[in-house]
Amino acid sequence: GPKVLQIPSHQIIDMGQMVTLNCDPVSNHLYFYWYKQILGQQMEFLVNFYNGKVMEKSKLFKDQFSVERPDGSYFTLKIQPTALEDSAVYFCASRSGRRSDYTFGSGTRLLVI
Amino acid sequence: GEQVEQRPPHLSVREGDSAVIICTYTDPNSYYFFWYKQEPGAGLQLLMKVFSSTEINEGQGFTVLLNKKDKQLSLNLTAAHPGDSAVYFCAVSAGGSALGRLHFGAGTQLIVIP
Repeated sequence: GPKVLQIPSHQIIDMGQMVTLNCDPVSNHLYFYWYKQILGQQMEFLVNFYNGKVMEKSKLFKDQFSVERPDGSYFTLKIQPTALEDSAVYFCASRSGRRSDYTFGSGTRLLVI
Repeated sequence: GEQVEQRPPHLSVREGDSAVIICTYTDPNSYYFFWYKQEPGAGLQLLMKVFSSTEINEGQGFTVLLNKKDKQLSLNLTAAHPGDSAVYFCAVSAGGSALGRLHFGAGTQLIVIP
């Protein structure tokens, strides 16, 4: 079936640097999401994005985080500057409508050192 | 806000045995309930979505029971085989949430021993 691709699959970055996580959603999907999973813990909602705007974000979505999807290309999560506690697996998801099923990517494993 | 508890965190069963994973949630307005399977290096694969109360749903080799009175969702793999080895997550969303944020359980690492 259609897939959500996440690039890169792994990223190691020095604390304080900027990182951009890329998500290539399913082509006809309109709603986009980021979730964060710290090792051994549950996945937690970060943000959702629709029609070029952030619609809802959680308290985990710090000021250092931003999302965009310029010109219908990758849906990106940028962290600037990174902190040690940002180390986690970040999952992107998309869906076509409010009641449609999610399609999840395989995650980007981010390690901040 | 919604709290989702999932147990057990780890489960080992022999091939052919059953395996039961249970989630409890707190928000009585929760409306959609999901079970996902995650294999190593892969994204979440939707096993089943349910939204009716006290519903039993049968999939391929598993049964999902939703008990809204007790706010409990369970996944029962009826005759596990090694291909079922994976991490399983339950997830819950509120029907009133138009944008459908999911609240996940912490996951159950299932190992099926041949």
